[in-house]
Parts: sequence; C-alpha cells; structure tokens
Amino acid sequence: DIQMTQSPSSLSASVGDRVTITCRASQSISSYLNWYQQKPGKAPKLLIYAASRLQSGVPSRVSGSGSGTDFTLTISSLQPEDFATYYCQQSDSTPPNLTFGGGTKVEIK
Amino acid sequence: QVQLVESGGGVVQPGRSLRLSCAASGFTFSNYGMHWVRQAPGKGLEWVAVISYDGSNKYFADSVKDRFTISRDNSKNTLYLQMNSLRAEDTAVYYCAKDLGPSGSQALDFWGQGTLVTVSS
Repeated sequence: DIQMTQSPSSLSASVGDRVTITCRASQSISSYLNWYQQKPGKAPKLLIYAASRLQSGVPSRVSGSGSGTDFTLTISSLQPEDFATYYCQQSDSTPPNLTFGGGTKVEIK
Repeated sequence: QVQLVESGGGVVQPGRSLRLSCAASGFTFSNYGMHWVRQAPGKGLEWVAVISYDGSNKYFADSVKDRFTISRDNSKNTLYLQMNSLRAEDTAVYYCAKDLGPSGSQALDFWGQGTLVTVSS
C-alpha cells in the first residue's frame, strides 16, 4: 500500500503569512495527489486535485505543486477562514485504494 | 446544487450490523463513482470503500474487507454501506463522497455532512 506522510503535523501562523505544507508518498504517484481542507465538525472540502488543479470556487491564494513522491500545498497569504486541518490524499492505486496523509493543523499564532 | 445526505448511524453493539444510506441530489448520480470515508473521534480521515458508477466494481480498505459491503441504487440516487461484525474500532463519523469521475479513482469533490456510528456494549 502507498503511505502518505504530511509535515508538519501542526503549525502556528498569522494572518497574511505564507504557509507551505508538504506531503510525501512512499512511492511515485505521478500527479495523482489531492488536497482537502477540514474545519471542526464539518466535512472535508476539496481544494486541489491532480496535484495542481484548483477546484472550482477555491481562492487563488491556494496552490499545489509537485509530482512523483513530493508535493506541496501553499497558501500565499493566510486568511482567517484558512485556519483548519489540511489532508493530502493519493489516488494512484490500481485497484483504487485511496490513502490520506495524517493531516496538518493550521492554528492562529 | 450537489447534496449528499447520510443516514442510518447510531449506537450498535459489537458484532452487530448496521446499514448506512446516502441520498444524492443535484447531479447525475449514475455517472459517478461514490465513496465512503470515515473519521474516528479526534483522528484523521480513512478511506473505507468505493463503487463505480454502475456498481460493477467495488473496492474496500483492508480494515473492513469481508465485513462491509458497498452498493448503490441508481434508480433511487442512493448509496449504501452495509456494515457487519462491527467492532469498537469502527466507531467513527462516516461520510459519503462523490468522485470526480465514473470509476471512483480520482478526487472526492463533494461530501455529505456525515453520520456517527458508535460501536459499544
């Protein structure tokens, strides 16, 4: 099975900061990497799919990059509504065996 | 707009069964793969199962294989998860989610609000 490792597991940042979260796959997954945001008590929300494609309605300050085993999610200027937990998820397995990273909690400094 | 509404959660004793439902609306249900994803209290997300658009392909996480079954009724726009031989470690919020594509191997672009399953004696 493909394992997904996110870092850091948590971070503190201020409004306006640039924030980067990394996700590493245990083997190459090409660009089959997705990012989700989850707020407490709410369902996850898709932000980025196929490593760098912005989901409709997601603000352009959010971006994704990477391929192979190393990926990043970047928020260029953190806004109050961005404080949440972020998960990466791979979709490269055949047959489908989606796996999520452990999550990164973005907290207010 | 896309809506996914789960139901069927509750408290169940270990070893018993439970069936979850997910009613879909706002999109052509029969064109898309569908997933179940769960989240234990205070923990991360765990993918559970996927079913292709026509129900012909189904895949499960190792943790639920041989105990859970996924199915769909495209005439009723409804997704199901039959959970048998439940264990304490199955306690979680269960989300249904829509895939971007028909086979269920892409990204999950819409999620329901979740239904809580508690396995306890």
